[in-house]
Amino acid sequence: GAGVSQSPRYKVAKRGQDVALRCDPISGHVSLFWYQQALGQGPEFLTYFQNEAQLDKSGLPSDRFFAERPEGSVSTLKIQRTQQEDSAVYLCASSLAGSYEQYFGPGTRLTVT
Amino acid sequence: AQSVSQHNHHVILSEAASLELGCNYSYGGTVNLFWYVQYPGQHLQLLLKYFSGDPLVKGIKGFEAEFIKSKFSFNLRKPSVQWSDTAEYFCAVSGNTPLVFGKGTRLSVIA
Repeated sequence: GAGVSQSPRYKVAKRGQDVALRCDPISGHVSLFWYQQALGQGPEFLTYFQNEAQLDKSGLPSDRFFAERPEGSVSTLKIQRTQQEDSAVYLCASSLAGSYEQYFGPGTRLTVT
Repeated sequence: AQSVSQHNHHVILSEAASLELGCNYSYGGTVNLFWYVQYPGQHLQLLLKYFSGDPLVKGIKGFEAEFIKSKFSFNLRKPSVQWSDTAEYFCAVSGNTPLVFGKGTRLSVIA
């Protein structure tokens, strides 16, 4: 079946612009996660949803970062007033309820110039 | 807080050489342990996982890992690497739901 998809795959933004990154999880996966992967680093947790409820947003680096999943399926990660340090690959993952096994999407590479 | 340490940043091996990538974690409770692989241009894929039971777990493509609780380690091994194993390998731990990843080890296999 279809895996996790993310769009766009690449995004270039000028500093100060707002961006929105989309994640389509695997159908039926209740849990959805966002991670940020800086160059040369491992992915770092940003936020987690179970259905439409955002259960953990402790990893969001600032109040410029906002995530939503209004209908418990597609999720959007929004970054306002982008800064150069926001340049990274943003990964989305999904999993079945109660499962620790997460399936990752291809990521969105964000470059802020 | 959970943390994961991968000892090697870049490993270069010849084909048929044996591989061992180190991973140590810190977490006081029950952990779930994972190795993910990212082939060039592809997304993260699960290589193997440990939840409980036999501490020696076997994954895809001939990889295995051993959970040693006393050493807080979960090292990845493969007896004989192939050129197609060239990739980035990430160890991860989950005490609750979000995964905590190590910084990754880049493996380059040369002919």
